[in-house]
Amino acid sequence: AQSVTQPDIHITVSEGASLELRCNYSYGATPYLFWYVQSPGQGLQLLLKYFSGDTLVQGIKGFEAEFKRSQSSFNLRKPSVHWSDAAEYFCAVGEGGGGSYIPTFGRGTSLIVHP
Amino acid sequence: SQTIHQWPATLVQPVGSPLSLECTVEGTSNPNLYWYRQAAGRGLQLLFYSVGIGQISSEVPQNLSASRPQDRQFILSSKKLLLSDSGFYLCAWSKGLAGYNEQFFGPGTRLTVL
Repeated sequence: AQSVTQPDIHITVSEGASLELRCNYSYGATPYLFWYVQSPGQGLQLLLKYFSGDTLVQGIKGFEAEFKRSQSSFNLRKPSVHWSDAAEYFCAVGEGGGGSYIPTFGRGTSLIVHP
Repeated sequence: SQTIHQWPATLVQPVGSPLSLECTVEGTSNPNLYWYRQAAGRGLQLLFYSVGIGQISSEVPQNLSASRPQDRQFILSSKKLLLSDSGFYLCAWSKGLAGYNEQFFGPGTRLTVL
């Protein structure tokens, strides 16, 4: 079975600074990878996803993520953080090859943005 | 376009009282439906999922139950709430039975059991 680790529970950055949120997965085959964002008191929204091809994926709200097979990672990045980016971020992995269609979510990273 | 609704948005219930949370999806047919719970400071816990009417799979044994009386309706219930049932409940849907399908989440229900 697959697993997802988000090693940082909280990340604090200043507005305008760059951001990188870490995600490591464990899965034997090529995974399907997702990043979701959850604003306080709301549901989750998909930021971006990786299936195959170009390992650098562009998403909404200026976010991007890079799939690195050798490191089993799918880190989320943004060059300049805005105060509205303060939220909970979840990495998720789905199985390929006819495995389970239900994704496994990481425990989330809470992003705090200082003015 | 597809939309997903949950109600109520917030709920305060005494211990031992019943529970019914409803989720409906519009703009799609035969979706996979899911109930998740978020406890404070924790991630998403998958409670139930369904691939069709009357088909419910449970991930965690507890005093909650789920039903799917219609294709696009998913209900989470309890006969007697516990304090530990407090949390943020999210409904989600997806299409197809493949790992590359993203999930679409509702706005959630905040449940406080006193």
